[in-house]
Order: sequence, then structure tokens, then C-alpha cells
Amino acid sequence: ELKVEQNPLFLSMQEGKNYTIYCNYSTTSDRLYWYRQDPGKSLESLFVLLSNGAVKQEGRLMASLDTKARLSTLHITAAVHDLSATYFCAVDMYNTDKLIFGTGTRLQVFP
Amino acid sequence: DTAVSQTPKYLVTQMGNDKSIKCEQNLGHDTMYWYKQDSKKFLKIMFSYNNKELIINETVPNRFSPKSPDKAHLNLHINSLELGDSAVYFCASSRRGASGELFFGEGSRLTVL
Repeated sequence: ELKVEQNPLFLSMQEGKNYTIYCNYSTTSDRLYWYRQDPGKSLESLFVLLSNGAVKQEGRLMASLDTKARLSTLHITAAVHDLSATYFCAVDMYNTDKLIFGTGTRLQVFP
Repeated sequence: DTAVSQTPKYLVTQMGNDKSIKCEQNLGHDTMYWYKQDSKKFLKIMFSYNNKELIINETVPNRFSPKSPDKAHLNLHINSLELGDSAVYFCASSRRGASGELFFGEGSRLTVL
């Protein structure tokens, strides 16, 4: 069974700092997604990574995928308060359109 | 226009009751899903339909019965509600054969007393 693990589960960081969230998964897949969820809200798609070595950037966030290591990273550059949210990675199980979600990383950015 | 819409947003009910949640998408997608998010924010897939056909049916109690009247709608009916059913239920949609990206509804928060 596909397992998707994120770390850290909780991240408190100061504005202006950089940090990386890691997403590891247990079986072969080359489709990985990152979502953002604000408290009490829906999930918003951030990045879609569809091949080994894929890298995408949007503002202060950059996501990458290494399918051989079964690892994706979400890098935060110069964090701002507006980035405070829970971030989920999700892996498409054997490219079946069945997304298995990670545990989520709750990010809190303080001044 | 909301792309994936769910009703109701909030449901508070007693144990043993039956309730339904409705979902509609106007994105032209052919695949729809139900996910359950528990109190620890963990998201778990429950069901998936493609063009009205059930394609994913996870280990979910048979008190939960999805129904897709057409590819733009997916409903979830829950019988004999239990305390452990309290959660946020998210509907999502995607286009099969495309990127696999899911588009989520706003969620329906179910509280069973």
C-alpha cells in the first residue's frame, strides 16, 4: 500500500527565513501534487509535478520531484505571514488518478 | 461561478439519522471523488466515479452510499450516522487522462451528536 509521509508535521518559522518541507512516498509514482489549505477552507492546488526532475516555482514557493528517491520538496524562500497554512503533498498511486495524501505540514510564519 | 460546489456546508445531526451531501462541478470533468478529512486533518479517499461508473471504492462502511446521476454530480448518502462519522467531507473532480490534478469543493462539515 502506498504511504506518503511529510516532515516536519509542524513548522514555526520567522518571516524572512528559508525552509524546506519534505514528502516521501513508498512506491513507484511519477505524479505528485502540492496543495495548500487555510483553516476551515478548501484545498488549493499549488503545483503539479509529472516527471522525474520536475521543478516548478510560484512566488516564494518552489517544488521539485525526484522519482528515483521517491521524494518531493517544497522550498519556502523568505517566508511571509501570508504563507501560514497547512501544506499537503499527494501522490498518484500507480498513475490511476487515485491521489494518496500526506499527513500535512502546518506552517506558521511569525514576525 | 463556483467550479465545485457542495451542499450543505454544515450538518449537525443525531446518531442514527440519515443524511446526504450533494456535489456539482461545472468544469466539464469526467471524474469525481469523495474525500474524508478527520479532526487531525488527515485526508482519505472514499470513492471515485468516472462518467457515472464507480471506479474507486475504498474500505468504507456500507452505510456510505455514493450516487452519480451524471458526470457533473456526485452525491453521498450516509445511513445510521455514528459519532466517528464526524468529519469534513470534500468533493473533488478531475479530467481522466489529463494531469490528475484534483479541484476541490469547499467541504461539508458533518457533526454527529
